[in-house]
Amino acid sequence: GAVVSQHPSWVICKSGTSVKIECRSLDFQATTMFWYRQFPKQSLMLMATSNEGSKATYEQGVEKDKFLINHASLTLSTLTVTSAHPEDSSFYICSVHVSKGRDGGYGYTFGSGTRLTVV
Amino acid sequence: DAKTTQPTSMDCAEGRAANLPCNHSTISGNEYVYWYRQIHSQGPQYIIHGLKNNETNEMASLIITEDRKSSTLILPHATLRDTAVYYCIVRYNSGGSNYKLTFGKGTLLTVNP
Repeated sequence: GAVVSQHPSWVICKSGTSVKIECRSLDFQATTMFWYRQFPKQSLMLMATSNEGSKATYEQGVEKDKFLINHASLTLSTLTVTSAHPEDSSFYICSVHVSKGRDGGYGYTFGSGTRLTVV
Repeated sequence: DAKTTQPTSMDCAEGRAANLPCNHSTISGNEYVYWYRQIHSQGPQYIIHGLKNNETNEMASLIITEDRKSSTLILPHATLRDTAVYYCIVRYNSGGSNYKLTFGKGTLLTVNP
């Protein structure tokens, strides 16, 4: 089946620094990837849709200058949290849409997530 | 996408069937019902999806009512490893790659020994 690799699985950084999270589709090409954020005991909230070769589409309330998304190839999208602050501490998850033929239909495959802690 | 309503939490005994309900009374004719689950501190995992017919795979069965206003996910023999938050999501299956998934609060299923 479709495999999405997310790296790192966890990271601790100092307040004011930037952190980059990578999302890779290992065995297929992904023109679109999605980035979610999940705070403790809450559901996943979509942050942005990453499109290969073009600008990402951000959800309302998500600062595009703070959460930089780059989707330079069909297998890699990156999310950079710039000037991170403690309130940015969260679980970040990427997702890839999988075309028909995998997962039995038009499904989505998710990365394993990145736990970001800003101190 | 149509909104879904799920119970906040459920308990199930190990080895028993777990039946997770979902209401989606405003579902439209071209919207599919998807089920995902999320084990603590992991990314969501696809379980099953369907349009109007009942579906079964190696993980679960999906029963959709005839009017499509509700559905039930069935885990036939729940194990401790099935403890997770289960999300019922309704979305239009356009086949395009840019149609986003919107998650609700889901149901926390706890399988007890």
